[in-house]
Amino acid sequence: DAGVIQSPRHEVTEMGQEVTLRCKPISGHNSLFWYRQTMMRGLELLIYFNNNVPIDDSGMPEDRFSAKMPNASFSTLKIQPSEPRDSAVYFCASSLIMGTYSGNTIYFGEGSWLTVV
Amino acid sequence: GIQVEQSPPDLILQEGANSTLRCNFSDSVNNLQWFHQNPWGQLINLFYIPSGTKQNGRLSATTVATERYSLLYISSSQTTDSGVYFCAVVNFGNEKLTFGTGTRLTIIP
Repeated sequence: DAGVIQSPRHEVTEMGQEVTLRCKPISGHNSLFWYRQTMMRGLELLIYFNNNVPIDDSGMPEDRFSAKMPNASFSTLKIQPSEPRDSAVYFCASSLIMGTYSGNTIYFGEGSWLTVV
Repeated sequence: GIQVEQSPPDLILQEGANSTLRCNFSDSVNNLQWFHQNPWGQLINLFYIPSGTKQNGRLSATTVATERYSLLYISSSQTTDSGVYFCAVVNFGNEKLTFGTGTRLTIIP
């Protein structure tokens, strides 16, 4: 089975530009998570969706960040305008969560390495 | 929110050695997972283990939920075991997987 697929794998962009990261979760999974990893803050949850609905976006750093999940097989994380401090690895992950039961394995994509100069 | 602490932060071992990594968490959990992040940045799921003991080859894990800790054992270490090991938990009432700060393991040939 294909795992979580993210694109692009690497992106270098100039400050002020719009960045769009894409994710395809594992087929059949109903929950999707966006994480950011930096040396200073480690792995932090930005937002998660359940059945395509955003459940908790309290980790989204500011209004420059937005995420959408228009259908069960696709999600985007957008940064506009980008800043150098947004440089990080952005991971997408998916899982199958039944109701409020969180007892399921979460699978990560390979990450999108973003550098804003 | 729930706090997840891992120890030791860094561990350097000779190939063939055994190691024990610890994860302490501050609240009751209904989900605990161990991950290995390899030198290329990939996060690989090792165990889903909210309680009890599991083994997979040279790796095993034990979670004592009542005492709020989990241990990851690596036996006969190989250089491919190098990387960062993360413990991540979900506490009751939410779906957020909260990560610890990780243990960086370096295996020397």
